[in-house]
Amino acid sequence: GESVGLHLPTLSVQEGDNSIINCAYSNSASDYFIWYKQESGKGPQFIIDIRSNMDKRQGQRVTVLLNKTVKHLSLQIAATQPGDSAVYFCATRGQGWGKLQFGAGTQVVVTP
Amino acid sequence: ETGVTQSPTHLIKTRGQQVTLRCSSQSGHNTVSWYQQALGQGPQFIFQYYREEENGRGNFPPRFSGLQFPNYSSELNVNALELDDSALYLCASSLGTANTEAFFGQGTRLTVV
Repeated sequence: GESVGLHLPTLSVQEGDNSIINCAYSNSASDYFIWYKQESGKGPQFIIDIRSNMDKRQGQRVTVLLNKTVKHLSLQIAATQPGDSAVYFCATRGQGWGKLQFGAGTQVVVTP
Repeated sequence: ETGVTQSPTHLIKTRGQQVTLRCSSQSGHNTVSWYQQALGQGPQFIFQYYREEENGRGNFPPRFSGLQFPNYSSELNVNALELDDSALYLCASSLGTANTEAFFGQGTRLTVV
């Protein structure tokens, strides 16, 4: 069946260091892969997405890497800041329409 | 802020009751999706509405139903509430059904007792 999972439930990062959040997926028919950030008491916030025909995409302080061979997705956050503390979800989208399949999430804790 | 507003923010209901949750989509967005997020888990897709029609549904029973209005706002109705329906209900709006950049509201926290 379709599943999206994360390797680590909690990631502790020192302020200023780079963060890497990993995600495994099983549905090879997914055409988009998306990262969301959810702060306490708020809804998920779109960070970045990557199409299945790409292997890397960069945004502001974030980079998403996609390895379709091993069905693995990662989010790299450069120079992690206290405001980056949140739960991060990876999500996949089936081809052509908007149902998103979310993973369980990784809690990122930024320490001073 | 995303421009997607949900009401109410918190709600307590008794098992067996019915509940209606509301969502105002971001201006210009014609697609609304609803998700259920249990504590400590990722959101689970309930259904999507596009131009007032249901455009897809997740693995939820028929007692979960919805509506979308001409102004693209939406309602989620849940009948015969069960204790396991306690969760954060999220509404996401987007421009078009295939747009991955969905904007989420802050959610409605439903507690069923």
